[in-house]
Amino acid sequence: ELKVEQNPLFLSMQEGKNYTIYCNYSTTSDRLYWYRQDPGKSLESLFVLLSNGAVKQEGRLMASLDTKARLSTLHITAAVHDLSATYFCAVENTGNQFYFGTGTSLTVIP
Amino acid sequence: KAGVTQTPRYLIKTRGQQVTLSCSPISGHRSVSWYQQTPGQGLQFLFEYFSETQRNKGNFPGRFSGRQFSNSRSEMNVSTLELGDSALYLCASSLSPGQGGAFFGQGTRLTVV
Repeated sequence: ELKVEQNPLFLSMQEGKNYTIYCNYSTTSDRLYWYRQDPGKSLESLFVLLSNGAVKQEGRLMASLDTKARLSTLHITAAVHDLSATYFCAVENTGNQFYFGTGTSLTVIP
Repeated sequence: KAGVTQTPRYLIKTRGQQVTLSCSPISGHRSVSWYQQTPGQGLQFLFEYFSETQRNKGNFPGRFSGRQFSNSRSEMNVSTLELGDSALYLCASSLSPGQGGAFFGQGTRLTVV
């Protein structure tokens, strides 16, 4: 069974600091997604990474994919309070079947 | 363009009852998948439909079933509800399987008492 490991599970960081969330997965896949979830809300798509070496950036978030290492990272630059949320990575198996990581609960402290 | 619509948003049911949840995908999207989210197990894949056919099914008991209609709307049904079925049920739609990611609905919060 495909496994997706995400770490850390909890991340408390000060505003203005940088940090990286890691996502390891156990199968060969070229499709890796990052989602954000606010409390009580649905999943918001952040990034779609479709090939080895893909790098996408949006604001203070940057995601990358290394399919050889089966690793994706989500880097946060100069964190702000609005980034507080839970972040999930997901690997697409076949079709529309996603396997999700455990999620990283991010709290940005002023 | 309307997003993925799930109804109802909240449900409270009693153990042993059954429940039906509905999902209307984004217009033009023909692939619908369902996920269960719980604090203990996280996000788990339930099943996926495309063109009214179930293509994949996750590791859930037969009490969980679903279907897709010709207009791509999908329903999932849970029979003989158990306390452990309390969860947020999320529906996701995409143009077709493997086409660049999925868009999620707001979810249905099911509470079994």
